[in-house]
Amino acid sequence: EPEVTQTPSHQVTQMGQEVILRCVPISNHLYFYWYRQILGQKVEFLVSFYNNEISEKSEIFDDQFSVERPDGSNFTLKIRSTKLEDSAMYFCASSELGTGGYTFGSGTRLTVV
Amino acid sequence: AQSVSQHNHHVILSEAASLELGCNYSYGGTVNLFWYVQYPGQHLQLLLKYFSGDPLVKGIKGFEAEFIKSKFSFNLRKPSVQWSDTAEYFCAVSRGGSQGNLIFGKGTKLSVKP
Repeated sequence: EPEVTQTPSHQVTQMGQEVILRCVPISNHLYFYWYRQILGQKVEFLVSFYNNEISEKSEIFDDQFSVERPDGSNFTLKIRSTKLEDSAMYFCASSELGTGGYTFGSGTRLTVV
Repeated sequence: AQSVSQHNHHVILSEAASLELGCNYSYGGTVNLFWYVQYPGQHLQLLLKYFSGDPLVKGIKGFEAEFIKSKFSFNLRKPSVQWSDTAEYFCAVSRGGSQGNLIFGKGTKLSVKP
């Protein structure tokens, strides 16, 4: 079964540092998403990406965040200057049709110290 | 704003017991509805989804859910749970016709005792 692959599985970074979280969506999928889950809280939408541009973003996705699809396979989330409150599990997802029945990756646990 | 409520934070059942997890959403327009499951240490997996048609939806692993539009509900059911169903269950909603951005509930942790 096709998978969405995320790397690294766990990243520890110092406050103020930049981090890049990487995702390889399923190859024939066209819609890409980032979600995050702060420990003990609900999964929250960050951003959706289609046709090489952001199609929707939440209020969480401020100027510190950016997404990119640098080549035909990777989809990255960059946090420019991490804050303690950015510590969370970040999930990438992709969808063929954009109707919400995603395939999620296994997540990257980001710890900001 | 859209929101999704899952009423039970933690449900503990014995094997073979019946399961019903509640989910209510607040959005007046057309919605797509989903249940995801997250087994310990694993990623979110789609259990079932509702877009239109028969409001009783059957998913994987014997799960089903019923969309009741008048109650804004999409409860998840399974007639007989197994120990392997121990996981966290998330209800999610997207606006019909949107790019599929999901609004999640807080999740319900299910523990099944063998």
